[in-house]
Amino acid sequence: SQQGEEDPQALSIQEGENATMNCSYKTSINNLQWYRQNSGRGLVHLILIRSNEREKHSGRLRVTLDTSKKSSSLLITASRAADTASYFCATDRDTGRRALTFGSGTRLQVQP
Amino acid sequence: GAGVSQSPSNKVTEKGKDVELRCDPISGHTALYWYRQRLGQGLEFLIYFQGNSAPDKSGLPSDRFSAERTGESVSTLTIQRTQQEDSAVYLCASSPPGQGVAKLFFGSGTQLSVL
Repeated sequence: SQQGEEDPQALSIQEGENATMNCSYKTSINNLQWYRQNSGRGLVHLILIRSNEREKHSGRLRVTLDTSKKSSSLLITASRAADTASYFCATDRDTGRRALTFGSGTRLQVQP
Repeated sequence: GAGVSQSPSNKVTEKGKDVELRCDPISGHTALYWYRQRLGQGLEFLIYFQGNSAPDKSGLPSDRFSAERTGESVSTLTIQRTQQEDSAVYLCASSPPGQGVAKLFFGSGTQLSVL
């Protein structure tokens, strides 16, 4: 079963606008990652935030983590048409298991 | 290699047939993972290899599913007596030593369609 749930399920914005996607999860985690998937195929790692971190930046990406609410957000600033993709959060638990649990994803459409 | 390579990229089969899906991880990556993604959904963990052994097979949905890895390199996922519900994209990922699950490198997947 999916631990993470992203919202919104779909988001359409204009180029230059900011895009915010949210992820909620159910159990305590070790790390939370965000991945991008183009055209329903391979995923690309974007950013990882550890459970003891609250915010992280990478280029135009900003990730926040609120472990008390079991939620994370991904902000993409100054969006570009090339950012059009599906975005997934993935969590791992501090149990030694190497399995990531993925959310159901947000489909982002950036209109040029 | 330059990245994780999966073959075939697309596979159409008839219900009841067996299929083999192949994954070539990035050279030197000791960990290898198989995930399944049904249409419009997130990824489901299937199995994890460390070297040639599989410490975690907990995600394999039934005994029709099996996987092996040889030479700490290529892995094959086999689905026997395929069913229509097996239709999905099967994604392979690898990661280098010491990385844990911190950053997986994914292949482009095999789209399996069971008619």
